[in-house]
Amino acid sequence: DAKTTQPNSMESNEEEPVHLPCNHSTISGTDYIHWYRQLPSQGPEYVIHGLTSNVNNRMASLAIAEDRKSSTLILHRATLRDAAVYYCILTTDSWGKLQFGAGTQVVVTP
Amino acid sequence: NAGVTQTPKFRILKIGQSMTLQCAQDMNHNYMYWYRQDPGMGLKLIYYSVGAGITDKGEVPNGYNVSRSTTEDFPLRLELAAPSQTSVYFCASSFLGSTGELFFGEGSRLTVL
Repeated sequence: DAKTTQPNSMESNEEEPVHLPCNHSTISGTDYIHWYRQLPSQGPEYVIHGLTSNVNNRMASLAIAEDRKSSTLILHRATLRDAAVYYCILTTDSWGKLQFGAGTQVVVTP
Repeated sequence: NAGVTQTPKFRILKIGQSMTLQCAQDMNHNYMYWYRQDPGMGLKLIYYSVGAGITDKGEVPNGYNVSRSTTEDFPLRLELAAPSQTSVYFCASSFLGSTGELFFGEGSRLTVL
């Protein structure tokens, strides 16, 4: 699976948007871009995924660059509950195997 | 709807002991996975299954065994526990594989002393 690069940590104020970048310069045409997050002492939680087009759901938006070498997860209004480690993962594996990196620790301050 | 249920939540083992971590899902998912997470690190895949009777190794399978006799259950067996197996173990399941979301359990924290 192609590798991803994320910042170690990011800070945001409550109720402000958060833009989490992910670089994946070696992405292949069939790699899906997945985002998961892990709250303290919990299992990972699915956030969003996409292939080529931007995606929106109730939790977040995923903006994918035209060349697909980078993407950005957007949390529109951060809440204290959004404080977590966010993982950007690529997979072309049809079995759904995910390769987790270290992720980005998001800190939300009131 | 319980989702993915893992038992036990906590366990302490002595070196050389064996045990089984249980995982059950009630969503009729074909795909199931076992991951481990060491402190401050991302998750690593131990074993996975794409259906009853079909299992395969992941990134870190040594010291573990799995079986999948039913769609619902995917137990992970630790033989001859070692301190290096101290970790948090997560079970997950998925309906669509790579094009869908994985549902994770709450984790089982294992300490080997």
